Amino acid sequence: QKEVEQNSGPLSVPEGAIASLNCTYSDRGSQSFFWYRQYSGKSPELIMFIYSNGDKEDGRFTAQLNKASQYVSLLIRDSQPSDSATYLCDNFGNEKLTFGTGTRLTIIP
Amino acid sequence: NAGVMQNPRHLVRRRGQEARLRCSPMKGHSHVYWYRQLPEEGLKFMVYLQKENIIDESGMPKERFSAEFPKEGPSILRIQQVVRGDSAAYFCASSPRPGTNTGELFFGEGSRLTVL
Repeated sequence: QKEVEQNSGPLSVPEGAIASLNCTYSDRGSQSFFWYRQYSGKSPELIMFIYSNGDKEDGRFTAQLNKASQYVSLLIRDSQPSDSATYLCDNFGNEKLTFGTGTRLTIIP
Repeated sequence: NAGVMQNPRHLVRRRGQEARLRCSPMKGHSHVYWYRQLPEEGLKFMVYLQKENIIDESGMPKERFSAEFPKEGPSILRIQQVVRGDSAAYFCASSPRPGTNTGELFFGEGSRLTVL
């Protein structure tokens, strides 16, 4: 079983709405989580990382970490068509990111 | 300040030939990771290297695939006797030296391998 499991999606959200992407993890010792975005045909890029329990906001993006329930989320407010991409989360266990299939998000104009 | 450089960007090989993919990490980065992405699938970790040392190759196929990161020069992913199933995008990523590894990986643009 993979250490970090991601809601596989795909997810469709109307433009302007909030997109919510979620991951759960099994290792209670996990300290940090990373959200990457990959546009079709492009390489992944880091958009958010979170170490502490609670919320971390950066513009329209909010990362949430709940260590008690062992889940991590990414919220995208005021979704734009340019947010349509695959989103990947992982915790850098064993000094590597193993990702997964990610969640494909489509913003519907 | 060049980013991660991969070449070639596109490579076409016939079945049975060899493919060599090169990756130059960002300046100052000593860790290199290789990932493979099959069409319409997610990224699959292949191997993690530091200079002159393979740290983790748990994602590498047991046969035909090898990777190196010499003291001088780029990291190389080598695929011998390619088959059609090797057709994929191969991404390289780099990160800073130990102690500063925050989990941010800087990815190259990828090398697209097509096996005819």
